Amino acid sequence: DAKTTQPPSMDCAEGRAANLPCNHSTISGNEYVYWYRQIHSQGPQYIIHGLKNNETNEMASLIITEDRKSSTLILPHATLRDTAVYYCIVREGGAGGTSYGKLTFGQGTILTVHP
Amino acid sequence: DTAVSQTPKYLVTQMGNDKSIKCEQNLGHDTMYWYKQDSKKFLKIMFSYNNKELIINETVPNRFSPKSPDKAHLNLHINSLELGDSAVYFCASSRGGGTSSYEQYFGPGTRLTVT
Repeated sequence: DAKTTQPPSMDCAEGRAANLPCNHSTISGNEYVYWYRQIHSQGPQYIIHGLKNNETNEMASLIITEDRKSSTLILPHATLRDTAVYYCIVREGGAGGTSYGKLTFGQGTILTVHP
Repeated sequence: DTAVSQTPKYLVTQMGNDKSIKCEQNLGHDTMYWYKQDSKKFLKIMFSYNNKELIINETVPNRFSPKSPDKAHLNLHINSLELGDSAVYFCASSRGGGTSSYEQYFGPGTRLTVT
């Protein structure tokens, strides 16, 4: 699976948009971009994923560049409860293939939302 | 309703003991996983089962033995516990098969402390 690079930490004011960048310059054609987050002492939580197109759900938006070498997770109106470690993960689609759905977590970005 | 549950939540035991951690999912998923998060907060996959068959076995000591009695359960048995086994263990599940991408749902974790 392709490796990802994220800033170690970011700050955001409550109510503002949080934009978390991720570089994945070695991503291959069949690899998806996934975002998970881990709030302190809890299990990781799925946020969103995408292949080529931008995606939006009730939690966030995912913007993937045209060359797919980087992406940005957007939390449109950050709240204090969004303080967490955010992981950008690239992996093959599906539970088949060579990765069998394996998620390889990096160090992630510690997002701190302050009042 | 809890989607992925683990028992116990906390486990404190002495070196050399044998212990088990249980995981159950009520999502109807085909694939289940065990991840380990060490003191430095790195999350690493250990095992994955698809329809009760082992499909991922990362470089884990054979003191760790997963058991999947049915698709909804994946238990982790650890023999001869060592200090280095102290960590938080997360169970996860996802739909499996096919070529689509599937998100994983994580349990709340089991904090294992070996003294």
